[in-house]
Amino acid sequence: NAGVTQTPKFQVLKTGQSMTLQCAQDMNHEYMSWYRQDPGMGLRLIHYSVGAGITDQGEVPNGYNVSRSTTEDFPLRLLSAAPSQTSVYFCASSTGPENSPLHFGNGTRLTVT
Amino acid sequence: GQNIDQPTEMTATEGAIVQINCTYQTSGFNGLFWYQQHAGEAPTFLSYNVLDGLEEKGRFSSFLSRSKGYSYLLLKELQMKDSASYLCATLDSNYQLIWGAGTKLIIKP
Repeated sequence: NAGVTQTPKFQVLKTGQSMTLQCAQDMNHEYMSWYRQDPGMGLRLIHYSVGAGITDQGEVPNGYNVSRSTTEDFPLRLLSAAPSQTSVYFCASSTGPENSPLHFGNGTRLTVT
Repeated sequence: GQNIDQPTEMTATEGAIVQINCTYQTSGFNGLFWYQQHAGEAPTFLSYNVLDGLEEKGRFSSFLSRSKGYSYLLLKELQMKDSASYLCATLDSNYQLIWGAGTKLIIKP
């Protein structure tokens, strides 16, 4: 029962570096999403996917790319890291985008210096 | 605009009852979620309300009034492990989740 697996747990980047946050789920969920969580703010949606081969932008997509080549995997790429991207990132999945509860990964704490 | 308001922090005593309020103004409404998030961990699902009224689930209950744009989470017989943040989120007319900033609940012995 792995659920949603995110790696790495912690990451420090220098401004301008790129990296990929990995997310995989073994529940055969169609819907997957990436959020960032910042102090004093609600979770903000970065990108989401309703199935393999389909992705769409959320509330704060700038500076991030995603792809969904399989049902299981939904990586998030930071193209050129900026200090404003310092945050905790959560991947989540559900059976559908509507009233289905989200299952979250354990998060990635990213610091950009 | 869309807005969800929750108190930033609340303190309660072990064994007591606490009510965490959430008010919302969103474009359309397709339900309201409550999630629990322990420090340094991922949010976990607690409840979903789409109709008015109270839904009870063990020590936790969630109430919704759509006409008032209001919900609350009621926690009974508080335990130290209930110390966490509680996140309120609504589904708007486009079925997008709008999240509150969360309420940090501190339980004192």
